[in-house]
Amino acid sequence: EDQVTQSPEALRLQEGESSSLNCSYTVSGLRGLFWYRQDPGKGPEFLFTLYSAGEEKEKERLKATLTKKESFLHITAPKPEDSATYLCAVHSGGSNYKLTFGKGTLLTVNP
Amino acid sequence: DVKVTQSSRYLVKRTGEKVFLECVQDMDHENMFWYRQDPGLGLRLIYFSYDVKMKEKGDIPEGYSVSREKKERFSLILESASTNQTSMYLCASSSYQGKETQYFGPGTRLLVL
Repeated sequence: EDQVTQSPEALRLQEGESSSLNCSYTVSGLRGLFWYRQDPGKGPEFLFTLYSAGEEKEKERLKATLTKKESFLHITAPKPEDSATYLCAVHSGGSNYKLTFGKGTLLTVNP
Repeated sequence: DVKVTQSSRYLVKRTGEKVFLECVQDMDHENMFWYRQDPGLGLRLIYFSYDVKMKEKGDIPEGYSVSREKKERFSLILESASTNQTSMYLCASSSYQGKETQYFGPGTRLLVL
């Protein structure tokens, strides 16, 4: 059974204080790892898909990286508007169309 | 631009009522999904559909049914709503060409009294 664990559960940063969120996974043949951002009361917003170890993707202050066991979402010089819950999900060879989601990391950036 | 819409943002229903939640996508995606999201439990898959009139149970299908009569529309039905079905319901869609990236709607917050 596919498993996704995100850490920490919650992270509080000062504006400009860079940090990383972790997503550890156990799957039978990774076909894709996804990062989403979710604001309170809204649906998840797609950020990145990573397909193979060593791959990196960037968008503004966010950079996602992937190894064979985990993915990191690096946040450089965050701003208060980066405050949200960040979700990680995996698609594996044994799951057809389904994604397995982690429980998320709640990021708060204080001004 | 990717677009998934859900029929209601907020719903209040009584125990025992039949509830319909509708989801429409305009991306010609083959796959559609219904999740519920609860604090501490994360996103849990209720049902999904990989083609018109095709459906498969997710992880928590009990108390729910679905309908997909047209490619762009996927409905979630609560036959007899119960208080433990109070939750945030999220619809998503994906395509084979998009390598299964799921795009989500805004969500429906359902309160069953």
